[in-house]
Amino acid sequence: EPEVTQTPSHQVTQMGQEVILRCVPISNHLYFYWYRQILGQKVEFLVSFYNNEISEKSEIFDDQFSVERPDGSNFTLKIRSTKLEDSAMYFCASPAVTDTQYFGPGTRLTVL
Amino acid sequence: QKEVEQNSGPLSVPEGAIASLNCTYSDRGSQSFFWYRQYSGKSPELIMFIYSNGDKEDGRFTAQLNKASQYVSLLIRDSQPSDSATYLCAVTNYGGSQGNLIFGKGTKLSVKP
Repeated sequence: EPEVTQTPSHQVTQMGQEVILRCVPISNHLYFYWYRQILGQKVEFLVSFYNNEISEKSEIFDDQFSVERPDGSNFTLKIRSTKLEDSAMYFCASPAVTDTQYFGPGTRLTVL
Repeated sequence: QKEVEQNSGPLSVPEGAIASLNCTYSDRGSQSFFWYRQYSGKSPELIMFIYSNGDKEDGRFTAQLNKASQYVSLLIRDSQPSDSATYLCAVTNYGGSQGNLIFGKGTKLSVKP
């Protein structure tokens, strides 16, 4: 199975702080996605990124969130001023040749 | 609001039995349908995808799609204790891997030895 990597695996931060979550998707694909899953709840779409631009975003993805591709291989999700309710697992996903989205292992974000 | 509904379970089956997982979706424009397995604390792991009405088999897994009824199911034959996990149904309005996935809350499956 194709591999998507994410760092860090666990991030603990204080409310109001900025966090940056990183992902290395499957190479040579233009589409890229971020999802989140609050503990005990369903996986929710945040944003899709196509050809270095945001393609679609959900209502969760407000002005506190941003996504970037700082270099040719890495993608980042930035939360500018974290809130308690941002505590969740954050997954990036990348398509593969079988036309399906493969998920990275996730980053557990804990906001104190 | 596009919704994907699943029975949260838990669904308990004995080892070797067939487990049947069901999912309904609200948007008739949905084109692609996916089943993911999620172990506790882990990320979703793709099991199967299906695009056309009918059945699709892959090993012990069979996905069934009925677009008229807006219904998709997953059958797991010869269930094993290692199949114990939460099974997530997801749909997208786009073909293939494009487009955001809309997930159900998942059905927790427990396979008893």
